[in-house]
Amino acid sequence: DADVTQTPRNRITKTGKRIMLECSQTKGHDRMYWYRQDPGLGLRLIYYSFDVKDINKGEISDGYSVSRQAQAKFSLSLESAIPNQTALYFCATSRARGNYNEQFFGPGTRLTVL
Amino acid sequence: KQEVTQIPAALSVPEGENLVLNCSFTDSAIYNLQWFRQDPGKGLTSLLLIQSSQREQTSGRLNASLDKSSGRSTLYIAASQPGDSATYLCAVSGGADGLTFGKGTHLIIQP
Repeated sequence: DADVTQTPRNRITKTGKRIMLECSQTKGHDRMYWYRQDPGLGLRLIYYSFDVKDINKGEISDGYSVSRQAQAKFSLSLESAIPNQTALYFCATSRARGNYNEQFFGPGTRLTVL
Repeated sequence: KQEVTQIPAALSVPEGENLVLNCSFTDSAIYNLQWFRQDPGKGLTSLLLIQSSQREQTSGRLNASLDKSSGRSTLYIAASQPGDSATYLCAVSGGADGLTFGKGTHLIIQP
């Protein structure tokens, strides 16, 4: 069974719609992350969370919000989707061990905004 | 701001060859460097992690080295196989926050 799962795996939506991407993990890790991947740009950090009460903005947080509902769940929301948010979105987790930061990734959600 | 560069961007070699993928980073104040593999349309699979105090890590046919002072890492793949075809990503961590990724090396192993 996958340790980090993401739903949905694929989503097509229209400009202006609100959409939520969900991430769940069974690894027991405290830290969770959201990235997006664009061709030619690589992966970039959107938001990260060290625990339920600790949420931090990443490099490209504008237009996104997150919710850490529980240790195992971290959701990413696009309040009003726009076409340049079309990308592959990844959730990742890591264990809280000081600066040791080995990250484990989910399978990704391919989002298309028309 | 940390920047990570991977060279070459693409590589195609015959099966059986040994090969080296390169990764460089601009800020040597890192805690970890992690190599990943990504298959088309799939997620990232962690291959190796090197802590800043380490010089290399090995897993099977893979060996990753780290020269923190010069801002460089290499991923060595021995006796390449068609199943090694994928995109290889290098990422560095300055602490517990997110990783900074290179754009990857797209590797094709010809049967």
